Amino acid sequence: EPEVTQTPSHQVTQMGQEVILRCVPISNHLYFYWYRQILGQKVEFLVSFYNNEISEKSEIFDDQFSVERPDGSNFTLKIRSTKLEDSAMYFCASSEIGFPNTGELFFGEGSRLTVL
Amino acid sequence: ELKVEQNPLFLSMQEKKNYTIYCNYSTTSDRLYWYRQDPGKSLESLFVLLSNGAVKQEGRLMASLDTKARLSTLHITAAVHDLSATYFCAALGFQKLVFGTGTRLLVSP
Repeated sequence: EPEVTQTPSHQVTQMGQEVILRCVPISNHLYFYWYRQILGQKVEFLVSFYNNEISEKSEIFDDQFSVERPDGSNFTLKIRSTKLEDSAMYFCASSEIGFPNTGELFFGEGSRLTVL
Repeated sequence: ELKVEQNPLFLSMQEKKNYTIYCNYSTTSDRLYWYRQDPGKSLESLFVLLSNGAVKQEGRLMASLDTKARLSTLHITAAVHDLSATYFCAALGFQKLVFGTGTRLLVSP
C-alpha cells in the first residue's frame, strides 16, 4: 500500500541551528502539506503546497520556515534558526485531490524535532 | 476563522458500552474528517464525510455529518480495548484541514 515516508524519525538540534525535514509523498499525489503537533496537543496546520507553490500558510509559518520540492519525489520543510518552541512532531501529508474537493489526506509517521 | 471543538476531551469507557464523540465547527465547511492517533504514532484516516447527512461505518465506529448544525459525531458501539486511542476530527477550511482538540479514549474491562 502506498505511503508517505518521512526522515529523520527523530532529530535533536541546538537552538539557532538549521533543520531540514524530508518527506516523500505518495507518488500520484499532487497536493502536499506540513502539520505539526506539540506533545499532547492538537494538530496544527503549517503550509500547503501545489504546483511548486505555497497555496496557503498559517501564522506559525513565518520567515524562519520554508518548503521546497527539489526533485520529483521529495518535499522538504526547512527551519532556518530553530527555537525551543519549535520542538514538536512534524507530519507531512499528501492528497490526490486538492481544495475545494480535498480528498483523504495521508499522513507520514512524523519527524520528532527536539530543540535544546 | 474556522475553529473546531470536540467533546469530551477525555473519555473513559467500559468495554461493551456505547458512547458518542461530538465535533462542532464554527463556519461553513463541506467536508469533515476523522482520524485516529495511537500514542507516539501518526494519524490514521478513519472517515471522510463529504456531504450533509453523510453516514459512514467501519466496524464498531460510525460517523455522521450535519452541515446545517455544523456538527459531526463519532459513535462507538460495544467498545473494546483496541479502540483506546486519541480521535481527532478535522473540518476542511481554505486549502487546509483544521483539527479539533482531540478526544482521548480509554476503554477498560
